[in-house]
Amino acid sequence: QSALTQPRSVSGSPGQSVTISCTGTSSDVGGYNYVSWYQQHPGKAPKLIIYDVTKRPSGVPDRFSGSKSGNTASLTISGLQAEHEADYYCCSYTGTYTLMFGGGTKLTVL
Amino acid sequence: QVQLVQSGAEVKKPGASVKVSCEASGYIFTSYGISWVRQAPGQGLEWMGWISTYNGNTNYAQRLQGKVTMTADTSTSTAYMELRSLRSDDTAVYYCARGYGWYPLDYWGQGTLVTVSS
Repeated sequence: QSALTQPRSVSGSPGQSVTISCTGTSSDVGGYNYVSWYQQHPGKAPKLIIYDVTKRPSGVPDRFSGSKSGNTASLTISGLQAEHEADYYCCSYTGTYTLMFGGGTKLTVL
Repeated sequence: QVQLVQSGAEVKKPGASVKVSCEASGYIFTSYGISWVRQAPGQGLEWMGWISTYNGNTNYAQRLQGKVTMTADTSTSTAYMELRSLRSDDTAVYYCARGYGWYPLDYWGQGTLVTVSS
C-alpha cells in the first residue's frame, strides 16, 4: 500500500488560512470516518490535532479544523501564526486494524 | 497525566536485533492499545503495527511481517517492540503511541533513535 497523498509543502502569511489535502482511496479515507491529523515540530514527537475527520482533542484551538469529501480529507489552519510552522501528517484507518499515514506536508509561515 | 517513556538510543550492527521499551503511566494500561510508528531520517511517518494490551493480540504492517514482534507486560505497564535482521534502512526514530485501530494516537512517547551501522 502506498502512503496517502499530501502536498509536499504549503505556505501562508501570518493571519491567513491554509488548507492541506490528503488524498486516498475508497479503501481508506473514503471508506471510514477515521482520519486524523498530526503536527510535528522538528525533533519532537507528533501531536494529535484532529481525529475522526473533524474532532479536536481537548486543548487544541479551534483555528484547526478538519473535513472530508469523498476520498480526500483536508486540514485547515486559520489565523496562521509562526508557531504553526511544522510538518503535518494525515492518517487513515484502512480496515482490519491497520493505519496508513500520508507523506507529510511542510507548512512554512512566511 | 498520561505519559509514555521510551528506552534510550541504540546502535546496532546489520543483522542484529533491537528491543525498544515504552513504559506507560497515568492511565489504565490495559484499557488502550499501543501502536508503534517509525520515522527514517528526513522522512515521513510509517505505521508499524499495534498490540492490544488487554489480550496481547497484535497486527503488523504487511511489509514488516516476520521482522517485528510487539509484546506487552501488564505487570509493569510496559510495551515492547523487537525488530530483527536489522538493515541500514531500519535506521529511524521509533515511537510508541497510545491507540490502535480506529482510535486516534492521542499520546506519544518521546521517540527512540535506532541506528544500524557496521
